[in-house]
Amino acid sequence: KAGVTQTPRYLIKTRGQQVTLSCSPISGHRSVSWYQQTPGQGLQFLFEYFSETQRNKGNFPGRFSGRQFSNSRSEMNVSTLELGDSALYLCASSLGTGIIGEKLFFGSGTQLSVL
Amino acid sequence: DQQVKQNSPSLSVQEGRISILNCDYTNSMFDYFLWYKKYPAEGPTFLISISSIKDKNEDGRFTVFLNKSAKHLSLHIVPSQPGDSAVYFCAATEPNTNAGKSTFGDGTTLTVKP
Repeated sequence: KAGVTQTPRYLIKTRGQQVTLSCSPISGHRSVSWYQQTPGQGLQFLFEYFSETQRNKGNFPGRFSGRQFSNSRSEMNVSTLELGDSALYLCASSLGTGIIGEKLFFGSGTQLSVL
Repeated sequence: DQQVKQNSPSLSVQEGRISILNCDYTNSMFDYFLWYKKYPAEGPTFLISISSIKDKNEDGRFTVFLNKSAKHLSLHIVPSQPGDSAVYFCAATEPNTNAGKSTFGDGTTLTVKP
């Protein structure tokens, strides 16, 4: 089975611009979650999508948004970029059944630098 | 309010010795705990997990211990190998919450010296 694929791997943007990141989950996985990792900080939960619906949301401003398509692929968008948005953005997929013991499968991430 | 804390940002051990990575949590609702390992330029990968109904789970060189009364868990690696050098994240989930909404700690960077 192919793993979780994130594109692009690296991105450089300037303040005020917007960016779209893409994630293709493992085949058969219906849940896609997005996390932000900044230096010295853990993985901060952004949101989770399941069957094209946002099921859970973290404490991030509305500039961060996402969507999921019928094939479970997901995109994350950040508008009006700020310097503090520079981070590694990780996508994770799972079956999404909610059964205890389920684990996440992560992509390699998109490293976003905002100048 | 950080609900999962890994108070040691880094740990260095000699090859062959034991590595102990610690994790504390504040949310008593958490009922499942996982450890993920992350190498540079790669995403985290699942390592080992434990349910709150257990106090120990073992998988080869890796053992996770859970002390519910202290809200503390630890990951033991015995013996440690240079290939274990990575960032280790502790994560937790609540009942009836999907894995996608896991709460992670800040991570501990383990360095195993040959």
